[in-house]
Amino acid sequence: AQSVSQHNHHVILSEAASLELGCNYSYGGTVNLFWYVQYPGQHLQLLLKYFSGDPLVKGIKGFEAEFIKSKFSFNLRKPSVQWSDTAEYFCAVTTYSSASKIIFGSGTRLSIRP
Amino acid sequence: GAGVSQSPRYKVTKRGQDVALRCDPISGHVSLYWYRQALGQGPEFLTYFNYEAQQDKSGLPNDRFSAERPEGSISTLTIQRTEQRDSAMYRCASSPTRDILAGGPSSEQFFGPGTRLTVL
Repeated sequence: AQSVSQHNHHVILSEAASLELGCNYSYGGTVNLFWYVQYPGQHLQLLLKYFSGDPLVKGIKGFEAEFIKSKFSFNLRKPSVQWSDTAEYFCAVTTYSSASKIIFGSGTRLSIRP
Repeated sequence: GAGVSQSPRYKVTKRGQDVALRCDPISGHVSLYWYRQALGQGPEFLTYFNYEAQQDKSGLPNDRFSAERPEGSISTLTIQRTEQRDSAMYRCASSPTRDILAGGPSSEQFFGPGTRLTVL
């Protein structure tokens, strides 16, 4: 069965620090990859997605992620975090055989110290 | 409304009672999805609909769980004879397209605020 692993459950950073959140998935075929974010008190919302093409994907609020097929990874990055980036981040994947079923990782809680 | 809405936002019930959770998707959205999210975990797929047709219910944990979307718009997730292990956040999402593998700016699931279910 497909699965998504997020290595860090809780990350604490100071403002202006660089961010990288790890995500690995287990599936050998064609995948689509997503990062969702949930800000405190708000809904889950899409941060960025990879379907095909350039493996470096840029999303909202200065986030980007790189799909490395050989490593089955889709890590999320941001060069300089802000206090407003405090949120929970979920990596997710769909596969060609189950396109409408999004499989989520367990999430990484990001806390930014002002 | 502008987004996906869910009601009630919070539901506390006693073990053995039935509950019905409602999802009102974004107007015109074709697909509707239900997820369950336990504390400290990511959302877990339960079932989804294209229009009124239930396409995949493989994620429903057992036959106490059922869902319907009779007119292709509002959906109800029903849990019969609730148990304490059913306590979780239940999330609904909708999508304007049937197949999110199609790519493009509309291939995204829009989530509602969720219903927090607590079974005592």
